[in-house]
Amino acid sequence: GAVVSQHPSRVICKSGTSVKIECRSLDFQATTMFWYRQFPKQSLMLMATSNEGSKATYEQGVEKDKFLINHASLTLSTLTVTSAHPEDSSFYICSARFSGETQYFGPGTRLLVL
Amino acid sequence: ELKVEQNPLFLSMQEGKNYTIYCNYSTTSDRLYWYRQDPGKSLESLFVLLSNGAVKQEGRLMASLDTKARLSTLHITAAVHDLSATYFCAVGRSGGGADGLTFGKGTHLIIQP
Repeated sequence: GAVVSQHPSRVICKSGTSVKIECRSLDFQATTMFWYRQFPKQSLMLMATSNEGSKATYEQGVEKDKFLINHASLTLSTLTVTSAHPEDSSFYICSARFSGETQYFGPGTRLLVL
Repeated sequence: ELKVEQNPLFLSMQEGKNYTIYCNYSTTSDRLYWYRQDPGKSLESLFVLLSNGAVKQEGRLMASLDTKARLSTLHITAAVHDLSATYFCAVGRSGGGADGLTFGKGTHLIIQP
């Protein structure tokens, strides 16, 4: 099946700093990438939808100025958590879709903000 | 607003038994997904159901979709310990796969030897 990678897999940062998470589709060109957040023992919540070359569409309640998404190419989307705070600590998972109905999920990035 | 409800949220069962996880959703959709998540890991795609009456089977797992009832089921046959995981259903919000998914809360399944 299609492979989606994320980097880093785990990051610890101090409160107030910014963290960038990369999502890459390794063997296909993704027309659309999605960013989800999962708090411990909870479900996944869609944060935003990202299409190559256009602005991301954010879900209600997600601050676009705090969670900056860039989809510069058909194989790379980045999520930058700006001025991170402890409440931003979570598991961030991206997914990619290139055709059809299937979304392929990355391995996730665990963010801990101290 | 699309809502997806799974039940049960927690299930402990013995090996060899059969059980069904239910997924109800609140608005019309023709895309229903089932995923498995192991602790600390991302999601593994199990099934994609795209039409009313769709039934798919893989090993001991079988998924079905009734779009009229807005209900999908994931049936486990003769459970084995390796199937212990959290199972999520997710629903697409519009046609064509362009939108992200709305997930249920997940069913934490423990299969005891």
